[in-house]
Order: sequence, then C-alpha cells, then structure tokens
Amino acid sequence: SAVISQKPSRDICQRGTSLTIQCQVDSQVTMMFWYRQQPGQSLTLIATANQGSEATYESGFVIDKFPISRPNLTFSTLTVSNMSPEDSSIYLCSAGDRRSGNTIYFGEGSWLTVV
Amino acid sequence: GESVGLHLPTLSVQEGDNSIINCAYSNSASDYFIWYKQESGKGPQFIIDIRSNMDKRQGQRVTVLLNKTVKHLSLQIAATQPGDSAVYFCAEMNFGNEKLTFGTGTRLTIIP
Repeated sequence: SAVISQKPSRDICQRGTSLTIQCQVDSQVTMMFWYRQQPGQSLTLIATANQGSEATYESGFVIDKFPISRPNLTFSTLTVSNMSPEDSSIYLCSAGDRRSGNTIYFGEGSWLTVV
Repeated sequence: GESVGLHLPTLSVQEGDNSIINCAYSNSASDYFIWYKQESGKGPQFIIDIRSNMDKRQGQRVTVLLNKTVKHLSLQIAATQPGDSAVYFCAEMNFGNEKLTFGTGTRLTIIP
C-alpha cells in the first residue's frame, strides 16, 4: 500500500490569502487525486492531478481557485486561492497505481480553517 | 440553521455483535468498489475492496457483498470492537476514468 504524507496537517488562514498543500507518496503512482471533505460530509473529488500536464477538474472546481501541480510520480500540490470561510474544509490527497490493482489510498488530510 | 454532521445515517451496535452497513451505488457501469473507514480527525483508511465480477469477498472480520442487480453493496463486520466506531464510506470506480465516487457514509457506534 502507498503511504501518503500531507503538509500542513492543519492551518488557520486569513480571508483572501492562498495556501499550498503538499502531498508526498512513498512510491511512484500512476494516479493522484485531490478531494475536499466539508465537516460531517462525504468526500468530493476536486481534480485528478496529471503528471506533467494540467489537472483535470470536476464540475464546480476551477483551476484559478484550485491550481494543482504534479511534477513527478510521487508529488503533488494543491493551492487554495483567495480563501473565504466557505473554503474551510479538509483537503485530502489520494493516490493509487493501476499497475497494482487501482486501490486508492488517502493521506491524513489538511484541515483548513479560514477566518 | 441546519447542523452539519447530522445527515449521516447512524448505526449503533453492541460490542461483540455483528454489524451490517449498506450502500446503494449509482453507476451500473462501475467496475470496482472500496469500503473505507474514517476515524475522527483522520483520513479514510482502506478496509476491503471488490471487483464487479465478484459478489463476495472476505477479509479479517470483514465481508463485502455486491449485488449488481440492485446496485447494492454491504459491509459486514463480525464481532465488533470499540475500535470499529467510525464513519464508513463506500466508493465506486469505473476503470475507464479511474475516478472514485463516494457515498454519503454511515456512522457506526459500538456500545460497550
């Protein structure tokens, strides 16, 4: 199984600022994704992080608000831009490898509170 | 206003009893299903998975059943323990796009 580390694990952010979350996987993976989980709710896919190319965003999420990078097969970043209190949420990085069965593993999440 | 955290279905089970958590999925073309456990303050933890060409799969104390006819998935946990208290999510994937879609989740509480 893949071990996924996220930084920061928790932060309190000022309205209007941006924050970049880092995700490091302990092995090369073909798939990386970013999810959002609002308090007490299920997980919603933000985007698929594509290695070496632009991320693929889900309906309701746009690159200007959530720019994503994936420079290689083990690392990705998600930036939450121009934050508002509505962006207070858990942001989760996930990864999997289709060469070993498509199982998707998750990091522990980055808990953001916007004040 | 509405309180968050109260929309999840809940299930309370006596310690030592078996529990069954149900999930209705949406896409008849889904190829792969995963159950996750999420404890408070943590990310989702993989429990067990099943492919669409199977109808049952067993792990340690857990069994997943898949009924494709009615698009239903269940997770059975045998001999529940206090550490089983968590929110459980089912998730489905189509191998064509490899995106994992999550269900609403069920909060399981084990009563000592």
